[in-house]
Amino acid sequence: VQVVESGGGLVQPGGALRLSCEASGFTFSFGLSWLRKAPGRGLEWVSIIDGEGEATYYADSVKGRFTMSRDWSTNMGFLQMNDLRAEDTATYYCARVYAHMRFDPLGQGTQVTVSS
Amino acid sequence: NFMLTQPHSVSGSPGKTVTISCTRTSGTFAGTYVHWYQQRPGSSPTTVIFQDRVRPSGVPDRFSGTTDRSSNSASLSISGVTTEDEADYYCQSYDGTDWVFGGGTRLTVL
Repeated sequence: VQVVESGGGLVQPGGALRLSCEASGFTFSFGLSWLRKAPGRGLEWVSIIDGEGEATYYADSVKGRFTMSRDWSTNMGFLQMNDLRAEDTATYYCARVYAHMRFDPLGQGTQVTVSS
Repeated sequence: NFMLTQPHSVSGSPGKTVTISCTRTSGTFAGTYVHWYQQRPGSSPTTVIFQDRVRPSGVPDRFSGTTDRSSNSASLSISGVTTEDEADYYCQSYDGTDWVFGGGTRLTVL
């Protein structure tokens, strides 16, 4: 069971990035989620998509700017991040949503830095 | 929305027992579970306790968890702490469409 993130990088304020999450070792009927860890701050839940890909939910801090999606044909999940702000700078983790809303496993993370 | 409050830091001497608390500020834990994650420096978070008190395979039985739904609080205890336990620990729960982590507790083994 594994998830692997990619797509992070350095972007200017107001810019956009698309993160990818490659899932393997489990059925794609599980939900996927994005979490993030900013420097000096704790873990923060960012977004979640259900196993059917029909329902998505977002933290208030990213609502209207981030969009989560998934592609069953490639076992991939995505996070489209628009209108990025300095406060979005963080390591972003993809996670499988396991029983009783537990995030397990998390990937190794991908770094997003928003700076001019 | 609700919040989970944890102490910023705890410390203990090698071999002692430390306990990390997690208090829900509004609503209740009724119908939900509390999970605990460990994040060592430079590593991704991993589960040390799920569903209030269940240890994943590979986690030492020195780790235990409990949730008191009457007081809306949960706790993680680590007995016989060692330097390998030094890490940040996060509690996590959910309510409807709201998934919440505590602010994290830094464990230092003196």
